[in-house]
Amino acid sequence: AQSVTQPDIHITVSEGASLELRCNYSYGATPYLFWYVQSPGQGLQLLLKYFSGDTLVQGIKGFEAEFKRSQSSFNLRKPSVHWSDAAEYFCAGNTGNQFYFGTGTSLTVIP
Amino acid sequence: GAVVSQHPSWVICKSGTSVKIECRSLDFQATTMFWYRQFPKQSLMLMATSNEGSKATYEQGVEKDKFLINHASLTLSTLTVTSAHPEDSSFYICSARRGPATYEQYFGPGTRLTVT
Repeated sequence: AQSVTQPDIHITVSEGASLELRCNYSYGATPYLFWYVQSPGQGLQLLLKYFSGDTLVQGIKGFEAEFKRSQSSFNLRKPSVHWSDAAEYFCAGNTGNQFYFGTGTSLTVIP
Repeated sequence: GAVVSQHPSWVICKSGTSVKIECRSLDFQATTMFWYRQFPKQSLMLMATSNEGSKATYEQGVEKDKFLINHASLTLSTLTVTSAHPEDSSFYICSARRGPATYEQYFGPGTRLTVT
């Protein structure tokens, strides 16, 4: 079955520290992969996406993600976290008509 | 470009009444729109896929008579929650796909429904 897994339900980092949010996918073929961010009570904002080509993808707000086929992963990274990055992060995959969302990782940033 | 709006952004209704939520693609034509439901602290769950001019396809476990979806034009899809109950209280998010050849979806800001 197609699925996207985010192993970390909640992560806390200090402001200025680096961040990595994990995402693993399980698909018959390599899906298109996305990272979204959601602030409380808000909709989803696309951070970045991977369709093909360069496996290191740059996104908005200083985020990047690396697609690793051998590990079936698409982890999100940011070298220096800002307090405004505190939010819920969703990884999603799509091979056709339907998106499959991970369960989300809640990020807390402490001063 | 590729902006999707939802109206209303939040709504409170009494148990037993119906409420309609609109999803509009503002600057593109959306051949397909999707409706998701999100409970607090949980992920998005796809409720149904809506294609312009045809009946919506509902996911398993979603009552199509309770959640009526209409995709009357290439820029508008509506979700009507009929005979709402408190357990229908949730955050409803729509998304729109620009065309059949694209896998990217554009998400609306969501509608918070509270049924009292």
